[in-house]
Amino acid sequence: ETGVTQTPRHLVMGMTNKKSLKCEQHLGHNAMYWYKQSAKKPLELMFVYSLEERVENNSVPSRFSPECPNSSHLFLHLHTLQPEDSALYLCASSQDSVGPVKTQYFGPGTRLLVL
Amino acid sequence: QKEVEQDPGPLSVPEGAIVSLNCTYSNSAFQYFMWYRQYSRKGPELLMYTYSSGNKEDGRFTAQVDKSSKYISLFIRDSQPSDSATYLCAMNGGGATNKLIFGTGTLLAVQP
Repeated sequence: ETGVTQTPRHLVMGMTNKKSLKCEQHLGHNAMYWYKQSAKKPLELMFVYSLEERVENNSVPSRFSPECPNSSHLFLHLHTLQPEDSALYLCASSQDSVGPVKTQYFGPGTRLLVL
Repeated sequence: QKEVEQDPGPLSVPEGAIVSLNCTYSNSAFQYFMWYRQYSRKGPELLMYTYSSGNKEDGRFTAQVDKSSKYISLFIRDSQPSDSATYLCAMNGGGATNKLIFGTGTLLAVQP
């Protein structure tokens, strides 16, 4: 285990539903990330939080809403999603988000299917 | 042109073979290069991390960076069925943010 947990592991939702993805890191890191992984595409960075402040929002549609209540927890709130949003959503953490690269540790991901 | 190009495979080799996985990139500012391994239904885990050009060895794995050619490689010696996974290259410039740029990943299958 990498010390980053994600729930749920699988989620099926309709386009009108509202759901939330949860990520928790037990590594004492200060930075947390949301990525989207689709088949045959590179990982897409969605959001970066450093010390609970959003430092990057990579032109993500507003139907995805992140929340970072503290440095150990990260949420991704989902509403009125589209079928093309079906993907594996990965959470990651690192010691911090600036300066020389720091290793990012990934959770197992939430496999999302939007019907 | 994508910033990072990686052949998606699949690549199938017999057990014991030497595997070569590669990525090319276009941004000459990249200085930090990583290889992640992702098993089915799991998140990526960091395998190797190198800075600038050169080689780095860790057990059966060797990472090689050629900045002049903008080309990075991961070699796996004596490949095992347990090495079957998707291998993702990632890189960044070590600048203001820790933004990693990933390749699409190469699916490797090592046949017993």
